[in-house]
Amino acid sequence: GESVGLHLPTLSVQEGDNSIINCAYSNSASDYFIWYKQESGKGPQFIIDIRSNMDKRQGQRVTVLLNKTVKHLSLQIAATQPGDSAVYFCAETRNNAGNMLTFGGGTRLMVKP
Amino acid sequence: SQTIHQWPATLVQPVGSPLSLECTVEGTSNPNLYWYRQAAGRGLQLLFYSVGIGQISSEVPQNLSASRPQDRQFILSSKKLLLSDSGFYLCAWSGTLVSLLFGPGTRLTVL
Repeated sequence: GESVGLHLPTLSVQEGDNSIINCAYSNSASDYFIWYKQESGKGPQFIIDIRSNMDKRQGQRVTVLLNKTVKHLSLQIAATQPGDSAVYFCAETRNNAGNMLTFGGGTRLMVKP
Repeated sequence: SQTIHQWPATLVQPVGSPLSLECTVEGTSNPNLYWYRQAAGRGLQLLFYSVGIGQISSEVPQNLSASRPQDRQFILSSKKLLLSDSGFYLCAWSGTLVSLLFGPGTRLTVL
């Protein structure tokens, strides 16, 4: 569910390294999962999504992995760049939920040059 | 293509003053519209959503209200702001896509 009120955990990585951002969800009925990137002072932007009938999906430099057994979602960013520094949110929904997303608490990614 | 606008971008208001934030969507019809609030360094809290003109659902009881006077317009209001109303307010919409598309946000500071 929503994690309003929690301070954001921070992941610090070296430029060029791979980043892995994790998210745990609680609703086993969730059908669809999304990762958002939010840069400072801006609205969240869609990165990549995955449906519950898949366990992996790749985009440009990003990969999302879904483990339904342990209700775990991860976002992998290859060759992390300074422009990847942002807060990353996972979100989940169900097909019959009318586009109502439940957001995770977010992780702040800091890329060191 | 669809775009979403919010204004103002930033706002500083005294405690007890009224509030009106506006969100408009272009390039789509009959969207579902949402208002979220984000406190500094925190996650996203859903405040209101609307599936059509005049239809508003509130997720959290609070000092705020929402209205949808037109299909592509969503307004967030308050009669008297509290200090705790400070935050980053995000409007979002969804149409046929499951995922939400967010606007640029309004930074509200209540002093």
